[in-house]
Amino acid sequence: EDKVVQSPLSLVVHEGDTVTLNCSYEVTNFRSLLWYKQEKKAPTFLFMLTSSGIEKKSGRLSSILDKKELFSILNITATQTGDSAVYLCAPGGSQGNLIFGKGTKLSVKP
Amino acid sequence: GAGVSQSPSNKVTEKGKDVELRCDPISGHTALYWYRQSLGQGLEFLIYFQGNSAPDKSGLPSDRFSAERTGGSVSTLTIQRTQQEDSAVYLCASSLAMVTDTQYFGPGTRLTVL
Repeated sequence: EDKVVQSPLSLVVHEGDTVTLNCSYEVTNFRSLLWYKQEKKAPTFLFMLTSSGIEKKSGRLSSILDKKELFSILNITATQTGDSAVYLCAPGGSQGNLIFGKGTKLSVKP
Repeated sequence: GAGVSQSPSNKVTEKGKDVELRCDPISGHTALYWYRQSLGQGLEFLIYFQGNSAPDKSGLPSDRFSAERTGGSVSTLTIQRTQQEDSAVYLCASSLAMVTDTQYFGPGTRLTVL
């Protein structure tokens, strides 16, 4: 059975801190892994990772995939209150659908 | 349109009634997905459509749930004889094709079954 585990489930930090969010997965016929940020209803796309060891960056956010160890991390440096959200990890399998983890709820205090 | 749209944004219904939820994908996207997110839970895959192929219904929780996609564009998710446990946010996503393509999500429909 496909499985995605994100850790920690929740995290409280202060502005300026750096955080690392973890995602481990077991997915049949893995194709890619996506990270989303969910603030209210609709998740918004952050990154798609398909190759091991290649870091993707977007501003203060970066992510990397390890297909051998079956995990990915999402880093956020110099956190801001606007980074407060639930961060979802979603590997995609052979069926095309995404398998979502329960998310990491990040709260950034001023 | 510029993004995925869904309607209604909120729906309150009584137990036992049927509901229809609509999704308009991004123009040109051939793959369309339905997910639901119950309170405090992760997103749960329901069904996906790819072009004119038969839909993958493997995630539908019961035979009260069905979905169709007309003309390869708009999709409707129908829940018959709604139950309180159907209360959730129903999210639709579309992508250019499938598998390795980014899925873009609509704003969702919050369904409350009284």
